[in-house]
Amino acid sequence: DGGITQSPKYLFRKEGQNVTLSCEQNLNHDAMYWYRQDPGQGLRLIYYSQIVNDFQKGDIAEGYSVSREKKESFPLTVTSAQKNPTAFYLCASSLNTARSPLHFGNGTRLTVT
Amino acid sequence: QKEVEQNSGPLSVPEGAIASLNCTYSDRVSQSFFWYRQYSGKSPELIMSIYSNGDKEDGRFTAQLNKASQYVSLLIRDSQPSDSATYLCAVYVRYSSASKIIFGSGTRLSIRP
Repeated sequence: DGGITQSPKYLFRKEGQNVTLSCEQNLNHDAMYWYRQDPGQGLRLIYYSQIVNDFQKGDIAEGYSVSREKKESFPLTVTSAQKNPTAFYLCASSLNTARSPLHFGNGTRLTVT
Repeated sequence: QKEVEQNSGPLSVPEGAIASLNCTYSDRVSQSFFWYRQYSGKSPELIMSIYSNGDKEDGRFTAQLNKASQYVSLLIRDSQPSDSATYLCAVYVRYSSASKIIFGSGTRLSIRP
């Protein structure tokens, strides 16, 4: 079955460490997105990519980095520069047309202490 | 002004009644509109998409779009306890250099038996 796989589901890190969240899709979608969600809040866009080897900053890119070397993969690195990294991270993909909705992975819950 | 605005709620509706959820957006180049439902701790799932002015019905759900007023709504008829969730409004915006999907902060809906 086609879908989006995020791993791990839960991730714990010490403050000051970089951590990479995995996102893989087999839907043959061109566009991929990373969102962050804090408790009781909506989704805020971190980075998005519309094509391989290209990506754009979203609204809250500071302290994060991404790469898009393959169409299927869009990993997100949370660096030590991110002030409040503890959150629920959602990866999504779409066909990148105006009428294409987002398909979401199951999310990664990151806790930094 | 936020690009996509929703009343955060909680909105409490008796079982069997109609729940009405509203969303306004600021960008006139917005082309497509989506409603997602998100249960606590889970990733969002697509309920409805709408692209043209007017109403679109799917089962108990009706989406309404008024581009002149920059307003999109979701009606849920015969509300059930399983409809209790957070509802996210999302807008597809296309610029000259890129396109992206922006979310509102969500409305928490509670259906009381």
